[in-house]
Order: sequence, then structure tokens, then C-alpha cells
Amino acid sequence: DVKVTQSSRYLVKRTGEKVFLECVQDMDHENMFWYRQDPGLGLRLIYFSYDVKMKEKGDIPEGYSVSREKKERFSLILESASTNQTSMYLCASRSQGVASGANVLTFGAGSRLTVL
Amino acid sequence: AQSVTQPDIHITVSEGASLELRCNYSYGATPYLFWYVQSPGQGLQLLLKYFSGDTLVQGIKGFEAEFKRSQSSFNLRKPSVHWSDAAEYFCAVRIYGGATNKLIFGTGTLLAVQP
Repeated sequence: DVKVTQSSRYLVKRTGEKVFLECVQDMDHENMFWYRQDPGLGLRLIYFSYDVKMKEKGDIPEGYSVSREKKERFSLILESASTNQTSMYLCASRSQGVASGANVLTFGAGSRLTVL
Repeated sequence: AQSVTQPDIHITVSEGASLELRCNYSYGATPYLFWYVQSPGQGLQLLLKYFSGDTLVQGIKGFEAEFKRSQSSFNLRKPSVHWSDAAEYFCAVRIYGGATNKLIFGTGTLLAVQP
């Protein structure tokens, strides 16, 4: 089975701190995604990457940046954390192919971030 | 604009009762549609997907969904709910954006199951 691992399940940070959220997948997937999940708002796409060193903004990229230096790893960076970035962050990956298994996202368990 | 609407924020059903969760989408092209489930403290797990062909699709855990193009709907159903089905359910549609496609999710429906 594809595994998507988010190393930090729970984080507590202070306003203004720089925060790194790490995500690693083990199935050689080309595409990786970062979503933010908030009650009543569902999942909103922050950034995605379709290949190494490639990235595209999602629907809510403000206040975030990403890094994809290796195919298996996709990092979400909060340059200066703010209280309104308190949320659950979900990473996902997917193969780029045309087979039926493509287009299906596999999610990590999530990283719950609290910014004080 | 592309969007997914789940009109029911919260639903409570009795164990053994039937279930239908509603999903409507807005997308100009042929949609790829998905239902995911999220148990407390977990990531999302794929329940089922529709790409083409038979409009009634079967998924895991006894769930099924029916694609109705005329109604722009993709409702999720289960004939008999189990207590372990209590979770949050998300409908999603694939859209093309930039160099690849991406999923747009609905706001979710939280299912509670009464004994």
C-alpha cells in the first residue's frame, strides 16, 4: 500500500515562528499536495507539486510556501506563523499516469498545528 | 466556477437504517467524482470513484454512489449503517488546473450513528 507519512502529528508554535511541515511518500508518485482542513470549510488546496522542483499555487497560498527537492518529499513552510493558520494540514500524493489508479489521492494522517 | 456542494453539514441516523449523503457539483466538463471518508484523527480514505461507464458505482465498506448527470449529483448511499460508519464524508470533483489536475472538495458531512 502507498504510504504518506506526516512526521509531526501535533505541533504548537508561537506567532512569528517559522514552521516546517514535512510529508514523505514511498510509492514514487509524481504529484503531491498540501491541503488545509477547517470545520465548515472542508479541504482547501494550498499548494501542489507535479514534479521535483515544480510547484503551483492552490486556492489559498497566501502565507505559505513549499519545497520539493526530492520526489518523495514535499514540505510546507509557514515563514511567519499567525494565529489564523491554526488548522489541520493534510498532505496527499498521486501518480500522474492514465491508469485507473491515477487521479486517486492517498492522504497522510494529518498535522494539527496550533499557533499561539 | 467549479465547486462541490454538500448541503447537509450534520446527519444522525440509527444503526441499521439506510443512509444517503448528498453531493452536487458544478463543472463544465465530464467530471471525475470521488467520495472520501475521514475517521476521527485520521487522514482521508477513498470510498469510491466514478470516472465513466456504469453510473452506479460500488465502493468499500458496503457504500455505493450514483452519478446523475442531469442533476449534477453524486449521492452516496448505504442500505444499513453500522456504528463504525460514524465519520466525516467528503465529496470531491477533479478539475484541470495548471500543469495537472486537482481535486476540489465539498465542505463535508458529519455522520453520527445512534445505537
